[in-house]
Amino acid sequence: EVQLVQSGAEVKKPGESLRISCKGSGYTFTNNWISWVRQMPGKGLEWMGRIDPSDSNTDYSPSFQGHVSISADKSISTAYLQWGSLKASDTALYYCARGHGWTDPWGQGTLVTVSS
Amino acid sequence: EIVLTQSPGTLSLSPGERATLSCRASQSVSSSYLAWYQQKPGQAPRLLIYGASSRATGIPDRFSGSGSGTDFTLTISRPEPEDSAVYYCQQYGSSPVTFGGGTKVEIK
Repeated sequence: EVQLVQSGAEVKKPGESLRISCKGSGYTFTNNWISWVRQMPGKGLEWMGRIDPSDSNTDYSPSFQGHVSISADKSISTAYLQWGSLKASDTALYYCARGHGWTDPWGQGTLVTVSS
Repeated sequence: EIVLTQSPGTLSLSPGERATLSCRASQSVSSSYLAWYQQKPGQAPRLLIYGASSRATGIPDRFSGSGSGTDFTLTISRPEPEDSAVYYCQQYGSSPVTFGGGTKVEIK
């Protein structure tokens, strides 16, 4: 079974750094891009960016470029989403999903709460 | 950036009453690179349709997609109560990938 399993919920303070993870299993991890999607509380889906785990080539939405970093470690079939300095407005549910365009399946989501 | 506008915002239907969801793009979506997702409360989105009209694995045939260019439609032919959810369209023909704002479907 193809599966993406994300790391657990995080509670952070503004200005702190954070890295969340997404581990793929049941398929060859380097054969498919991984995309990241944000869902703010009670809101819709926002595409953040994607990475090709085979060569770490990335593509970001202009809305998120410079504020987050996407990386991958193909040796452990894991992709990452990282912030250098969190803001309260980063409070959201973050999903990873397999695919460059349409995406399937999706991870279960990681809830990130940023509050002083 | 391609902006996707979904309508209606909310759709309330009875079981078996055909549902038609619209997704309109601000510019042409190349090669019909449009997908539809279903999201139920507390769950991750699930892929329904890709390439505008191809059903994803395991998706019931009551779900169908159509359209090209700037106008796309998701149809649920005989909705069941379990189809109550928010439905999102997504274009992936040009970067950045974008999603529509969603249509909430209530089957009562």
